Amino acid sequence: NAGVTQTPKFRILKIGQSMTLQCTQDMNHNYMYWYRQDPGMGLKLIYYSVGAGITDKGEVPNGYNVSRSTTEDFPLRLELAAPSQTSVYFCASSYSNRNRYSNQPQHFGDGTRLSIL
Amino acid sequence: DAKTTQPPSMDCAEGRAANLPCNHSTISGNEYVYWYRQIHSQGPQYIIHGLKNNETNEMASLIITEDRKSSTLILPHATLRDTAVYYCIDLAGGTSYGKLTFGQGTILTVHP
Repeated sequence: NAGVTQTPKFRILKIGQSMTLQCTQDMNHNYMYWYRQDPGMGLKLIYYSVGAGITDKGEVPNGYNVSRSTTEDFPLRLELAAPSQTSVYFCASSYSNRNRYSNQPQHFGDGTRLSIL
Repeated sequence: DAKTTQPPSMDCAEGRAANLPCNHSTISGNEYVYWYRQIHSQGPQYIIHGLKNNETNEMASLIITEDRKSSTLILPHATLRDTAVYYCIDLAGGTSYGKLTFGQGTILTVHP
């Protein structure tokens, strides 16, 4: 298994440009997440999805969009890049069987380092 | 904000056990104790988790006190590659989507 794969690994954008960060997982996980991590800081949840066709906002969704048309893929879209979106973006996935007393860990990709100039 | 507290940094000699403490003063009954680590420039890596009982896997052991207010992650034979930031997290099980909130963590430095 490749696990969680993110592309590209690095990208430089100009202000106002748009791009899509790709994320795919081969573990048949139902939950997927997008986080951003600014230098020296913890993770902030951007969007998450509990299954194909279902997405919801995290704590910092402004300026981003997501879609989940398949179980495997969860792309993150930046429509109008701004300098404040310079960050490292991590995609993660996990399996939840919705049992109140069980949980499974999140598995992360290696990240996309995005700079907006 | 993170609900757990950890020492900001620790050192360990290569080959020795690294014992990383965490306080979970506000943990609730359905929250698991999770440990992750982040090696420089890489994505967070899951280490281990538990609810009440002590747990062991190929990476580490997790000791949880009976009142669940504190835990200790044990790396039995630390190597240089274990140098990383280690995070302990309280995370509800089951129906919640399990949003991870990392605090400042403990910077573990393993030296030769």
